[in-house]
Parts: sequence; C-alpha cells; structure tokens
Amino acid sequence: KAGVTQTPRYLIKTRGQQVTLSCSPISGHRSVSWYQQTPGQGLQFLFEYFSETQRNKGNFPGRFSGRQFSNSRSEMNVSTLELGDSALYLCASSSDLIAKNIQYFGAGTRLSVL
Amino acid sequence: AQSVAQPEDQVNVAEGNPLTVKCTYSVSGNPYLFWYVQYPNRGLQFLLKYITGDNLVKGSYGFEAEFNKSQTSFHLKKPSALVSDSALYFCAVRGRGFQKLVFGTGTRLLVSP
Repeated sequence: KAGVTQTPRYLIKTRGQQVTLSCSPISGHRSVSWYQQTPGQGLQFLFEYFSETQRNKGNFPGRFSGRQFSNSRSEMNVSTLELGDSALYLCASSSDLIAKNIQYFGAGTRLSVL
Repeated sequence: AQSVAQPEDQVNVAEGNPLTVKCTYSVSGNPYLFWYVQYPNRGLQFLLKYITGDNLVKGSYGFEAEFNKSQTSFHLKKPSALVSDSALYFCAVRGRGFQKLVFGTGTRLLVSP
C-alpha cells in the first residue's frame, strides 16, 4: 500500500506570493491533517479534514486555508506569504476520525519564503 | 485544552545503554498517547500508542513506553540503545472525541558509539 504522498517536496517563494501544497492520503483513509514544523515552534496543528469537511482547526491566521476533495486528497493554501511561513509542512492521514487511530505522515513539503 | 511537555531538548546515551525520553501530558479525561520518531528530511514515523489496558506498551524497533496516570507521564524507553536510534522523538496526546492531536516540542536522541 502506498504511503502518504506530498507534492512538491521543495518550494521556494517570495514574500507576498501564494502557494498550494498537495497531499494524497493512504488509499482508504478519509481523514487528513496538516501540520507546520519549524525549529522554534515545533509541530503546530493547522487543520483536519474528514469527508471533505473541516473538523478541527488550529490557531493560524486566515491566510492558511485547506480543502479536501471527494477522493480524500487534500490541498492547503497559504496566501500573502511571509518570511515566517518558511517551514516543513506535514500531512498525515488516518482511516477515520476515531481519536485512537494512528496518523501516518508524509515526507513533507519544505517551503522557503525569501 | 490538551498539552504535552518534553522537558529535555536532547538526550545523550552510549550505544548499548538503556535510554529514556521523558513525556508528560495534560488532557481532560482519559488520553490517547503516541510516540513518533523523525529522521532527517523525513516525515514522522509511528512508534507506539497507549489506548487503554496495560501500562507498558511495546512498539516498533524495540521501543516501549510506560503510562503512569498518577504522574501523567508516558516515558519512552529502550533497554539497549543503537546508534541508528539517533533521531528526533515526539510525544503526542489526543483527548477522546474529535480533538486535535497535540505534539510535544520533540527530544533529540543522540546515541554515541
């Protein structure tokens, strides 16, 4: 079974631009979560989707948005990029919303904002 | 709101010695607890989880963790460390219901030959 796939692996953008990151979950998984990882802040939860609905949201500004498609693939978008948005963005999938289920992570997209 | 504390930024241990990576948590009600490991330029890999039942949980690569409800701790342990265990370790907690998974800040484990 293929794992969680995130594309692209690396991105370089400039301040003010916008970016879209993509995540394909493990086949059969319907829950997708996004995290931002930085050296200073660690792993910060962005949002969680299940069956195309946002179920949980972290404390990020409205510039960060996401969506999930009917095939469970998910995208997250960051508009008006700031230098502080430079981070590793991780996507994780789970079979459903049951809290005890394991989240499986992709390798991440490393975003650099210049 | 739930939270996780990993009090040590780095743990150093010699190969062959036992290792412990500490984790304490705060959550309303009974927790679901997880340990993940991250190697350079990789995503997080699941090691083990505590749901209910036995306080000692065994996981991948010889790791185990002990759940202590009174001390709200979930320390990761391994009887004999390997150099290849050197990585970044994350503890995470999730409350019951539709709550988000909250991670600790991570502990870097360095195993010297």
